[in-house]
Amino acid sequence: EAGVAQSPRYKIIEKRQSVAFWCNPISGHATLYWYQQILGQGPKLLIQFQNNGVVDDSQLPKDRFSAERLKGVDSTLKIQPAKLEDSAVYLCASSLDLSSGNTIYFGEGSWLTVV
Amino acid sequence: KQEVTQIPAALSVPEGENLVLNCSFTDSAIYNLQWFRQDPGKGLTSLLLIQSSQREQTSGRLNASLDKSSGRSTLYIAASQPGDSATYLCAVRDGAQKLVFGQGTRLTINP
Repeated sequence: EAGVAQSPRYKIIEKRQSVAFWCNPISGHATLYWYQQILGQGPKLLIQFQNNGVVDDSQLPKDRFSAERLKGVDSTLKIQPAKLEDSAVYLCASSLDLSSGNTIYFGEGSWLTVV
Repeated sequence: KQEVTQIPAALSVPEGENLVLNCSFTDSAIYNLQWFRQDPGKGLTSLLLIQSSQREQTSGRLNASLDKSSGRSTLYIAASQPGDSATYLCAVRDGAQKLVFGQGTRLTINP
């Protein structure tokens, strides 16, 4: 079974530029998550989708971050304009659905450096 | 607001030792707790998932326990090997169905 796919794996941009990350979850998984992991810290949830609807985006900095999952499958996370403090790994994850018994599977992450 | 703490932040032990990693959480109203492993430059790999009604889960040399009432979980690694070197993260699934992570324990097993 293919895992969670993310691209690009690495990106270096200058501050105030924009960047977009793509995620394709495991086939059949209705729930998709985007996490931000700053070096030395645990991942922090940015946004959670159930199919194409947003379940939780309370920690998403909406002035600069946006995410969509238009067809309920793959998803895109965008940052515009980027700040230095956005340097982090952006992890996409998926699970079958919102049921608490389901394991959440993570992708390899997209590493962003803002200079 | 749920907070998850992992102690110690880093641990270095000689190969072959048994070891315990600790995780504590502030709100006992959780659905489950999951332990992950993260290798440098990689994503997270799920190791064990313990439902709130369970006390422990085992997989090979790994054993995770959960004491929901006291807000604690431990990950026991038996007969450690250099390949076990990684960062170990615990996460609780809270009432809002989201995973709240600790900051991780960076484990080094010395040959």
